[in-house]
Amino acid sequence: GNSVTQMEGPVTLSEEAFLTINCTYTATGYPSLFWYVQYPGEGLQLLLKATKADDKGSNKGFEATYRKETTSFHLEKGSVQVSDSAVYFCALAPYSGAGSYQLTFGKGTKLSVIP
Amino acid sequence: DTGVSQDPRHKITKRGQNVTFRCDPISEHNRLYWYRQTLGQGPEFLTYFQNEAQLEKSRLLSDRFSAERPKGSFSTLEIQRTEQGDSAMYLCASSTSADNYGYTFGSGTRLTVV
Repeated sequence: GNSVTQMEGPVTLSEEAFLTINCTYTATGYPSLFWYVQYPGEGLQLLLKATKADDKGSNKGFEATYRKETTSFHLEKGSVQVSDSAVYFCALAPYSGAGSYQLTFGKGTKLSVIP
Repeated sequence: DTGVSQDPRHKITKRGQNVTFRCDPISEHNRLYWYRQTLGQGPEFLTYFQNEAQLEKSRLLSDRFSAERPKGSFSTLEIQRTEQGDSAMYLCASSTSADNYGYTFGSGTRLTVV
């Protein structure tokens, strides 16, 4: 079945540090890949996505590249801010021919950014 | 439109009682999803509706769980004979069929079974 593995947290960084959160996946065919963010007390929000190999998703300074050869979708940001403190979830959706629209999520990585 | 609304935000119930949660999706979204999230885990898929039809159900959805979307608008998730293991955050999301994975999540209903 499909699965997503992301790095264990929590991650604590100083403001303006470089962020990487690793995510690898197992899936049949060509899944779509996502990063969701959950700020304290709020629902999950889509941060970025990529639907095919070598696509790069980007939003709010965050980037992730769909690497099929390494089955990875690592999240990066060059300079984090205190407002980026949240829990980040990597997720995948099955390939379009699977007839399923469910997302499979990783366990989440909690990021804390200190001033 | 104010997004996906879930009610109640919190529910505490005694073991063995029945509970029902409601989700109001974004009005133009024809797809609606229920997920469950336990502490330290990512959300797990429970079920999915397209309009009023329930098209997909997870093995996690035991016979104590039932979900409906009677008119293709709001949805309810009922848990009968609650158990302590049902304690979790229950999340609802919606999307359009033009953007299968353009989910908008609600803030969730936190269930505590005592």
